[in-house]
Amino acid sequence: TQLLEQSPQFLSIQEGENLTVYCNSSSVFSSLQWYRQEPGEGPVLLVTVVTGGEVKKLKRLTFQFGDARKDSSLHITAAQPGDTGLYLCAGFRAGGTSYGKLTFGQGTILTVHP
Amino acid sequence: DSGVTQTPKHLITATGQRVTLRCSPRSGDLSVYWYQQSLDQGLQFLIQYYNGEERAKGNILERFSAQQFPDLHSELNLSSLELGDSALYFCASSVGQGGSETQYFGPGTRLLVL
Repeated sequence: TQLLEQSPQFLSIQEGENLTVYCNSSSVFSSLQWYRQEPGEGPVLLVTVVTGGEVKKLKRLTFQFGDARKDSSLHITAAQPGDTGLYLCAGFRAGGTSYGKLTFGQGTILTVHP
Repeated sequence: DSGVTQTPKHLITATGQRVTLRCSPRSGDLSVYWYQQSLDQGLQFLIQYYNGEERAKGNILERFSAQQFPDLHSELNLSSLELGDSALYFCASSVGQGGSETQYFGPGTRLLVL
């Protein structure tokens, strides 16, 4: 059972279009992170959101954490070919022996065509 | 470059064999995490070590084991290898014990079991 469901799995769009990737769960997370991974490399952290309802912006990327801290979204405005990659959400649930244990979604493969 | 190094970059071996993957964390980081990434399972947390001690355990098989040495580098040992163990294995590191802090991922080791 996947704790974090990402959608869509694949996204192929033209340069200049907007897009949104969703990360949903029935579980509450203490914090949620978004990563971007390029072929042949490890994931790179984009942002961490910790407060329900929090919105963070990173240039053309907007990240939102749901009020109940069960879901998150990543919105990209005016996508560019350089945005192409695998986008992963990852949740952290505090308590017990969780320490640094992150639960990752299946990922969204984004392709932006020139 | 995340500062995390992993060796080897590629590994091809046969079923039933045993391999060792090595990871050197970023300078100053005390935690090391191991992840497995496959097409069907996505990125799965395996195990975390902090300053030489096991801190958190995920979906790690009994055939797999890990340790962190006094110089903080870590090794992941995979034994009695099966075809299904073919995957990308990532190591990540962080300063503290985890939670929502940033984990820096290495470039990964691609394991192919024939």
